[in-house]
Amino acid sequence: DAGITQSPRHKVTETGTPVTLRCHQTENHRYMYWYRQDPGHGLRLIHYSYGVKDTDKGEVSDGYSVSRSKTEDFLLTLESATSSQTSVYFCAISEARQSTDTQYFGPGTRLTVL
Amino acid sequence: GQQLNQSPQSMFIQEGEDVSMNCTSSSIFNTWLWYKQDPGEGPVLLIALYKAGELTSNGRLTAQFGITRKDSFLNISASIPSDVGIYFCAGRAGGQGNLIFGKGTKLSVKP
Repeated sequence: DAGITQSPRHKVTETGTPVTLRCHQTENHRYMYWYRQDPGHGLRLIHYSYGVKDTDKGEVSDGYSVSRSKTEDFLLTLESATSSQTSVYFCAISEARQSTDTQYFGPGTRLTVL
Repeated sequence: GQQLNQSPQSMFIQEGEDVSMNCTSSSIFNTWLWYKQDPGEGPVLLIALYKAGELTSNGRLTAQFGITRKDSFLNISASIPSDVGIYFCAGRAGGQGNLIFGKGTKLSVKP
């Protein structure tokens, strides 16, 4: 299994509060990704990083920000959580982003916004 | 945007049966990946395909990259109870493009 951990694994918070989710990898992979998974939508890309301090938006980036100050850590922040952000969040990593590259996923964080 | 249609959405299996599922896209893909997700866990990569027509096996699982490059198929032979879960296809259109995921096929055991 790829060395990816996510914390916390579960979180319940209230609307309007800030939330930060952490992804940590021990594989020294260059690329890291944040996805959300919702029933009927599959996995959707929020943001990704292609190096320290280098990030870009994905398909559903509104309401989220990310930071990557070290190769091994990728943080996802909800500045002011809303109920529509209740979801399961997955971090993924990959060595490269070429056609022959594959992504490996962490165990997920279940976030509930009341 | 690009979309993947994965079918069937769900299916029931009896131990020993063969299972087939597929994904189709509206555009040409260069990469097809198949993942399995168990409850409460992240998706786990099963098979990766990089070339049109490619047929790759992983134990009882076999996946194919369609000749048209717009579809992919996953077959599970002689299913066992631990095969239950959700299977996702994912594809990438360009060299640096994002992965697009299907909505999943949920495999359950027949009551």
